[in-house]
Amino acid sequence: DIVMTQSPDSLAVSLGERATLNCKSSQSVLYSSNNKNYLGWYQQKPGQPPKLLISWASTRESGVPDRFSGSGSGTEFTLTISSLQAEDVAVYYCQQYYTIPITFGQGTRLEIQ
Amino acid sequence: QVQLVDSGGGVVQPGRSLRLSCAASGFTFSGSAIHWVRQAPGKGLEWVALISYDGTNKFYADSVKGRFAVSRDNSKYMLYLQMDSLTPDDTAVYYCARPQSGSYYDPYDYWGQGTLVTVSS
Repeated sequence: DIVMTQSPDSLAVSLGERATLNCKSSQSVLYSSNNKNYLGWYQQKPGQPPKLLISWASTRESGVPDRFSGSGSGTEFTLTISSLQAEDVAVYYCQQYYTIPITFGQGTRLEIQ
Repeated sequence: QVQLVDSGGGVVQPGRSLRLSCAASGFTFSGSAIHWVRQAPGKGLEWVALISYDGTNKFYADSVKGRFAVSRDNSKYMLYLQMDSLTPDDTAVYYCARPQSGSYYDPYDYWGQGTLVTVSS
């Protein structure tokens, strides 16, 4: 199974500042035949299902504010929020969908400092 | 619009069974694989099971293999998760989730609202 490890477990950032969340996979999730990273980022707020923010490591989903961006390839990935807003307080999960079983990171809890 | 509605959760004693349902609408259900994902209270997300678009292929997490069974009725736009021999470790909110283009290897663009299963004596 591919193990997904997120860091840090929790993060406090001031409003308007940058937040950087990391995700490492125990093996590459880059599929060489199409050069795509099978890596997604989700945001989950209390009492709600997760919401897909970023797919294929760097593709922002429709309606997701452009302050959210994803980067990385192979085994190391980053979700960046360029200017933290109050509504961004949530838990963020990375997910690999390269192989079954699908696996998630343990989550990073993002708070306002 | 795409909608997934989970139901069937409740309180059940250890060793008993429960069947969850997921009602789909707003997309071609018969053309999409569907996953089940669960989340224990205060914990992270755990993939549980996957069923192919036509129900012929099914995959399970090791933690539920042999106890849970996923099925679907494409004529009714319904997905099911039969859970047997439940233990307290199965206590979680269970979500059905649709992969973005219906393939096994896609991110989940739509989720149900979740249904809570509590296994307790």
